[in-house]
Order: sequence, then C-alpha cells, then structure tokens
Amino acid sequence: EPEVTQTPSHQVTQMGQEVILRCVPISNHLYFYWYRQILGQKVEFLVSFYNNEISEKSEIFDDQFSVERPDGSNFTLKIRSTKLEDSAMYFCASDALPGELFFGEGSRLTVL
Amino acid sequence: GDSVTQMEGPVTLSEEAFLTINCTYTATGYPSLFWYVQYPGEGLQLLLKATKADDKGSNKGFEATYRKETTSFHLEKGSVQVSDSAVYFCAVNTGFQKLVFGTGTRLLVSP
Repeated sequence: EPEVTQTPSHQVTQMGQEVILRCVPISNHLYFYWYRQILGQKVEFLVSFYNNEISEKSEIFDDQFSVERPDGSNFTLKIRSTKLEDSAMYFCASDALPGELFFGEGSRLTVL
Repeated sequence: GDSVTQMEGPVTLSEEAFLTINCTYTATGYPSLFWYVQYPGEGLQLLLKATKADDKGSNKGFEATYRKETTSFHLEKGSVQVSDSAVYFCAVNTGFQKLVFGTGTRLLVSP
C-alpha cells in the first residue's frame, strides 16, 4: 500500500538553528500538507500546498517557516531559526480527495 | 472559524465493552466529517468519514452518523478490543484544503 514517508524520525537542534524536515508524499496525490502536534495537544494545521504553491496557511506558519517541492517527489518544511516552542511532532500528509489525508509517521523535533 | 470539541479522555474500558466517543463541531457551509486514529508511535490514519447529513461512516466495526441537527458525529463501537487502544481524533473539513481536528480522545482497553 502506498504511504507517506518522512525523515528524519527525530531531530534535536539548538535554538536559532535551521531545520529541514523532509517528506515523500504518495506519488499520485496532488495536495500536500504539514501539520504539527505539540506533545499532548491537538493536531494543528500549518500549511497546504498545491500546484507548486501554498494554497492555505495558518497563523502559526509565519515568516520563519517555508515549504518547497524541490523535485517531483520530495516536499520539505524549513524552519529558519528554531525556537523552543517549535518543539513538536511534525506530520506530513497528502491527499487525492478533500479531507482523506494520508499521514506520515511524523518527525519529532526537539529544540534545546 | 471551524472547530471541533471532543470528550476528554482517557476513556478506559474492558474488552468487549461498548464505546462512545462524543464529538460536536462548529462549521460554516456543508462540512465533511472524519474520524482519524493514531496508534502508539504512528501517524494518523483515516478511520471513517461522512460527507452529508444522515450519512453513516463505518470501518473496522466503528460507526459514526452525521447529525446536522445536533452538529454531532459521535464514534461508536459495539465491542472494543485491546488492539483498539489508541487516540481518536474527530475532524471537520469545509471544502478548503485543511482539516480542523479536535484535541483527541485516548482510549485504553484492558483484557
């Protein structure tokens, strides 16, 4: 069964450092997403991406965040200068039908 | 904006007990409703969905009915198993490209 894959599974970084989280969405899907889940809290929408551009973003997705699809398969989330409060599990997802998202297993980011 | 309210967890049940996890939503327009499940150490998986009023979504013995009059989408299962232990998320989608999730309800099933 096709799946969304994410790397790394866990990254530890120092505050102020740049982080790039990588995702390979399901190949025939058209919409790509990043969500995050701070420990013990709800899953929060960050950004959606379609046709090589951002289609929607949340208030959380400020200028420190960016997304890119550098080639035909990868979808990346970059955090330019990490803050302590960026520590969370970041989930990549993709879909072919609205709402029917396929999620990756997540990348845990720990900012020290 | 759109929002989802779920019952607080954890919900602790014995195997074969009946499960209900309550979910209510606030949304404009004609939302689609979803339940996602997150097993330990894994990402979220779509469990079931309903796209219009009175639709019943079902999968793996779980059911939920889209009740527009009460803006609810409660998850039910007649007989839970230990393997159903997970966190369950209710979500709403109003046609824009994002899901709004509830806070999640942890289910613990003991043998």
